[in-house]
Amino acid sequence: EAGVAQSPRYKIIEKRQSVAFWCNPISGHATLYWYQQILGQGPKLLIQFQNNGVVDDSQLPKDRFSAERLKGVDSTLKIQPAKLEDSAVYLCASSRTGDEQYFGPGTRLTVT
Amino acid sequence: GESVGLHLPTLSVQEGDNSIINCAYSNSASDYFIWYKQESGKGPQFIIDIRSNMDKRQGQRVTVLLNKTVKHLSLQIAATQPGDSAVYFCAESYNAGNMLTFGGGTRLMVKP
Repeated sequence: EAGVAQSPRYKIIEKRQSVAFWCNPISGHATLYWYQQILGQGPKLLIQFQNNGVVDDSQLPKDRFSAERLKGVDSTLKIQPAKLEDSAVYLCASSRTGDEQYFGPGTRLTVT
Repeated sequence: GESVGLHLPTLSVQEGDNSIINCAYSNSASDYFIWYKQESGKGPQFIIDIRSNMDKRQGQRVTVLLNKTVKHLSLQIAATQPGDSAVYFCAESYNAGNMLTFGGGTRLMVKP
């Protein structure tokens, strides 16, 4: 089966600009996660969806980050405006049961 | 590709030797633990998991040990191969696999 797809793979923007990332989970996976991975650290969960509802977004900086999963399949994560400290890899993962999560390749964001 | 673990603890082993990677977790309420492998430029890949009602679980060439008394998790890799070179993360959850919290990671380098 196809894995989790993410685009773009790389993005370079200036601070105060906006950016959006797209994720297509594995077919049939109801749960979708967005993680932020700063270089040299483990991934940090930003938001978790169950179908198109939010399960947990306690670590999402809501003043600048937003995410949606309107039809319960694809999801977008947006940052507006971006700060230098947002430079990181943004990982999307999906799972069927909530146990084993399958990760996409990530989007590497550089904010200059 | 992205270099994941520039400043991570590093374990260097000879090809064919056994590797042991350790992890201290933080939440005594965690009941589910996972080891992930992350190669440069890729998302984390599931290796093995264990629930808190077990203290040992074996997979193909890998074994996970859980010591709840001291909140310690270890990953043993038998007959380590060059393809095992990567950054390894442990992750914990107190909510049946949801809301994973990742540890800081260990870089494994296998010398041929």
